[in-house]
Amino acid sequence: QVQLVESGGGVVQPGGSLRLSCAASGFTFTSYGMHWVRQAPGKGLEWVAFIRYDGSNKYYADSVKGRFTISRDNSKNTLYLQMNSLRAEDTAVYYCAKEEYSNSWRPLYYFDYWGQGTLVTVSS
Amino acid sequence: QTVVTQEPSFSVSPGGTVTLTCGLSSGSVSTTYYPSWYQQTPGQAPRTLIYSTNTRSSGVPDRFSGSILGNKAALTITGAQADDESDYYCVLYMGSGIWVFGGGTKLTVL
Repeated sequence: QVQLVESGGGVVQPGGSLRLSCAASGFTFTSYGMHWVRQAPGKGLEWVAFIRYDGSNKYYADSVKGRFTISRDNSKNTLYLQMNSLRAEDTAVYYCAKEEYSNSWRPLYYFDYWGQGTLVTVSS
Repeated sequence: QTVVTQEPSFSVSPGGTVTLTCGLSSGSVSTTYYPSWYQQTPGQAPRTLIYSTNTRSSGVPDRFSGSILGNKAALTITGAQADDESDYYCVLYMGSGIWVFGGGTKLTVL
């Protein structure tokens, strides 16, 4: 079965950096694009970033563009989110999520499976 | 800046029917936005309910249905149950590799 396990969260000071990981199993990781989605405490969900199956294209929400970098290591079935210049408003649970395709490999543009999330707290 | 709108809260009686909507601050939602819906209870990861406007995700009961109603995407719950009390989020694909969540609807079953 599909499993997505995030790690790397913790407490970091404003202006600091952190790298999140998402270990994937139960599916052919190299064939699927992957997302990061976050949720600030008591707030709604916010899409953060997407990377295509082969890492050829990356997309970001305006709120993180230029500060966060999504990447993947297909040899390790692992997705990453490098977060730099962190701000208090980046405090959130960060989820990784898998995309899905139709039977004819047309993208369906939704979040198919989700991990359990990892908490990032930006505070001095 | 495109804003995806949802009702902040809604209530439904057990056994009743409720329709939650997902709109745009400017313009109409259509199938080309590939609307999808997610259910989330406190402390849990989101659960995928509906994708591509009206396709139920695996294991989702058929009392959950999706549609386009007027200029919005809609999630209808028929025969609401106590454990449907959750937060519900829609997402629209805006094109060019950008997704936008709505603010979520807190559904109370009472």
